Amino acid sequence: EVQLVESGGGLVQPGRSLKLSCAASGFTYSNYVMAWVRQAPTKGLEWVASISTGGGNTYYRDSVKGRFTISRDNAKNTLYLQIDSLRSEDTATYYCAKAKLGRYFDYWGQGVMVTVSS
Amino acid sequence: DVVLTQTPPTLSATIGQSVSISCRSSQSLLHSNGNTYLHWLLQRPGQSPQLLIYLVSRLESGVPNRFSGSGSGTDFTLKISGVEAEDLGVYYCVQGTHAPWTFGGGTKLELK
Repeated sequence: EVQLVESGGGLVQPGRSLKLSCAASGFTYSNYVMAWVRQAPTKGLEWVASISTGGGNTYYRDSVKGRFTISRDNAKNTLYLQIDSLRSEDTATYYCAKAKLGRYFDYWGQGVMVTVSS
Repeated sequence: DVVLTQTPPTLSATIGQSVSISCRSSQSLLHSNGNTYLHWLLQRPGQSPQLLIYLVSRLESGVPNRFSGSGSGTDFTLKISGVEAEDLGVYYCVQGTHAPWTFGGGTKLELK
C-alpha cells in the first residue's frame, strides 16, 4: 500500500524557516517524480515544487523561487521542502504527492499545516 | 501558465441524479507525444485529494464506474452517473501537459 506521510508543519513567525518532510513507502520511491502541492485555507490547490527521480532537476512556481528548496533522499525514501523567509501568504496545508509518468498525481499524503503569523 | 476554468463552481444534486462538471483550458492540452494530460481529482471534506480519472478518460483503480471523463483539446467533462452520498466534496481538474501543473478552481458537489 502506497503511503505518504508528511511532517514538520506548525506555527511560524514571518521571516522564519521551516523544513517539511514526507516519508514514502509502498512503492519504489526512487523511480518517481515527487511534488509538493499546497492549499491555502478554503482555497484551491496550487503546485509548489517538484523534483526529478534522481534529484538533479528541481522546479518551482515563481512565487516561491529563491525561498523554497525541494530535495529528496532516495536512500531514506523521503522528500523534503525547506521553506525560508516565510510569508503570511505561505499559510496553507502542504501535500506531498507522487507523480506517475511525471504527469499526474496518483497518490497524496494527508497534508501538513503551515501557519505563518506573528 | 495554463488556466483551467471549471463550471459550475457549485453543484447541488440529489442521490441518484446524474451530473456533469466542465473544465475548459486556456490552451490545448494535447501534448506533442499524442497524450492529453488532463485529470480529475476529488477532495472529500477534511481529506486529501484523490485521483479519480487520468488521461481524460481512464478510471483510476478502485474508482467506481459511475465516474467517467471525456473531452479533447481545451474542453473536458467529468460525469457522475448516479450520485451517491460518498461523492460529495470538491472536484478539481488538473493538467500536466504544460509546465507548471495547474488546477481548476474546483466544483463543490453538495446534496440538494
